Amino acid sequence: AQKVTQAQTEISVVEKEDVTLDCVYETRDTTYYLFWYKQPPSGELVFLIRRNSFDEQNEISGRYSWNFQKSTSSFNFTITASQVVDSAVYFCALSDTGNQFYFGTGTSLTVIP
Amino acid sequence: DGGITQSPKYLFRKEGQNVTLSCEQNLNHDAMYWYRQDPGQGLRLIYYSQIVNDFQKGDIAEGYSVSREKKESFPLTVTSAQKNPTAFYLCASSDDLSPTYGYTFGSGTRLTVV
Repeated sequence: AQKVTQAQTEISVVEKEDVTLDCVYETRDTTYYLFWYKQPPSGELVFLIRRNSFDEQNEISGRYSWNFQKSTSSFNFTITASQVVDSAVYFCALSDTGNQFYFGTGTSLTVIP
Repeated sequence: DGGITQSPKYLFRKEGQNVTLSCEQNLNHDAMYWYRQDPGQGLRLIYYSQIVNDFQKGDIAEGYSVSREKKESFPLTVTSAQKNPTAFYLCASSDDLSPTYGYTFGSGTRLTVV
């Protein structure tokens, strides 16, 4: 069965610290897609990144970077030099070939000024 | 600008009442979804629709109903049969019948039973 686990419920860091949000997934499909979404206090989920199962290349976008490792079924998200505006709930999600999205329970990040 | 509009942002319901949450999109997306979000439980799928006049139950459909009469609209009715309706409700859409390109989300409706 498909499953996404975000073991970190809440994280607090001081501004300018680096922080890594963990995501571990389970699927039997060989073709799948992984996502990260940000949910600021306003409530709307904002798309951050999509990665397919055949592309293990890590990606960097500004202060954000993602580490995809199929060997450990993980898709971790790192924020470098965190800022107060990064405070939000972050969701990892898995999409398989069965028309379904599977969300983790989210990690609430608080960046303290 | 294209996007998803959910209304109202806040909604209060008396016990025993049915209420309808609106979701409209102008992205020309075929598929639309309703999720419920409770603290610490992530997002749970209520209903989804891949085409007009067709929809399927998600994981927690009991006590909810939907319709898809137009491509742009996917309203959710929370019926009196839903025993614990207080939650944050998110509508989403995707332009692919298989959500491999991710969803676009609305800004949500927070429903409270009073």
